[in-house]
Amino acid sequence: EAGVAQSPRYKIIEKRQSVAFWCNPISGHATLYWYQQILGQGPKLLIQFQNNGVVDDSQLPKDRFSAERLKGVDSTLKIQPAKLEDSAVYLCASSPRTSGRGDEQFFGPGTRLTVL
Amino acid sequence: QQQVKQSPQSLIVQKGGISIINCAYENTAFDYFPWYQQFPGKGPALLIAIRPDVSEKKEGRFTISFNKSAKQFSLHIMDSQPGDSATYFCAARSSNTGKLIFGQGTTLQVKP
Repeated sequence: EAGVAQSPRYKIIEKRQSVAFWCNPISGHATLYWYQQILGQGPKLLIQFQNNGVVDDSQLPKDRFSAERLKGVDSTLKIQPAKLEDSAVYLCASSPRTSGRGDEQFFGPGTRLTVL
Repeated sequence: QQQVKQSPQSLIVQKGGISIINCAYENTAFDYFPWYQQFPGKGPALLIAIRPDVSEKKEGRFTISFNKSAKQFSLHIMDSQPGDSATYFCAARSSNTGKLIFGQGTTLQVKP
């Protein structure tokens, strides 16, 4: 079974520039998550999708961050404009949520963003 | 705000020793407590998890001990190996929102 795919793996941008991250979840997984992991901290949930719909985006800085999930499969996370404090690893995760094994979240390798 | 506090921040253990990582939570509205293992350049991977109606769960060398009254849970790694060197995160899932709240992480180094 293929895992969660993310691209790019690394991105370096100047502050005030825009950046987008892409995630392809495990096939058939209904729920998709985007997390921000700042160096030395645990992942923090930014947004959760159930199929096409947003379940929780309470910690997404909506003035600069946006996310969408296309046709309930792939997802993109965008930052516009980026700030220095956005430097972090952005993790995508997915979970089945429709079966008895729905508790486990499967994480991708992440995209490491550096804002200069 | 719901929080999960994890300690220690870093841990060095000799090969064959026992590694112990502790977590405490402040809110009782959690229904699932997983531990994740993360290697450099990789995403976190589920290691072992427990529900609050159980006081202990063991899988191979990994054991979770859960104390509901104290709102604490811990990960014990028996016979620690150099391959266990990684960052470990505890987490708690809100029964209200389903959101996972992660601890700050513990970097474990197992010396040969």
